[in-house]
Amino acid sequence: DAKTTQPPSMDCAEGRAANLPCNHSTISGNEYVYWYRQIHSQGPQYIIHGLKNNETNEMASLIITEDRKSSTLILPHATLRDTAVYYCIVRPGSSNTGKLIFGQGTTLQVKP
Amino acid sequence: NAGVTQTPKFRILKIGQSMTLQCTQDMNHNYMYWYRQDPGMGLKLIYYSVGAGITDKGEVPNGYNVSRSTTEDFPLRLELAAPSQTSVYFCASSWAGVTGELFFGEGSRLTVL
Repeated sequence: DAKTTQPPSMDCAEGRAANLPCNHSTISGNEYVYWYRQIHSQGPQYIIHGLKNNETNEMASLIITEDRKSSTLILPHATLRDTAVYYCIVRPGSSNTGKLIFGQGTTLQVKP
Repeated sequence: NAGVTQTPKFRILKIGQSMTLQCTQDMNHNYMYWYRQDPGMGLKLIYYSVGAGITDKGEVPNGYNVSRSTTEDFPLRLELAAPSQTSVYFCASSWAGVTGELFFGEGSRLTVL
């Protein structure tokens, strides 16, 4: 599975958009980009995933560059409850194991 | 649905003791996983299973064993506990397929002294 690179930490003001980048320059054609987050010591929570088109759901938007070598997770109006570690993971969509390999992630601190 | 349930939530072991972390899910998911997370680190995959009777090693399997006799249950066995196994353990499950959203339990915090 392709590896990802994320900044270790980021800050964001409450109410502003949080833009979390992820580099995955070795991504293969059949690999999807997945985002999860882990609030404090809870189990990780699924946010969103995409292949090549931009995706949006009630939690966030995912912007994937045309060459698919990088992506950005956007939390449009960050709140204090969005303070968490955010993980960007790439994995084949047709995986026959479903497993996800987590990296270090980005610690997002939302400040009042 | 209760989702993924892990027991116990906390446990202290002495070096050399053994124990089993229990994990059960009620979503009829095919796939189940065990991860560990050391302080300040990301999750590491220990073992996973794609169905009853089928298990395979992940990134850090040494010192652990698993079994999958039913779709619902995926216990993790620690033999001869060592201080290096002090960690938070997360069990997860998912459907097969592209979305393959993993659902995680609340975690089991294990300390080996």
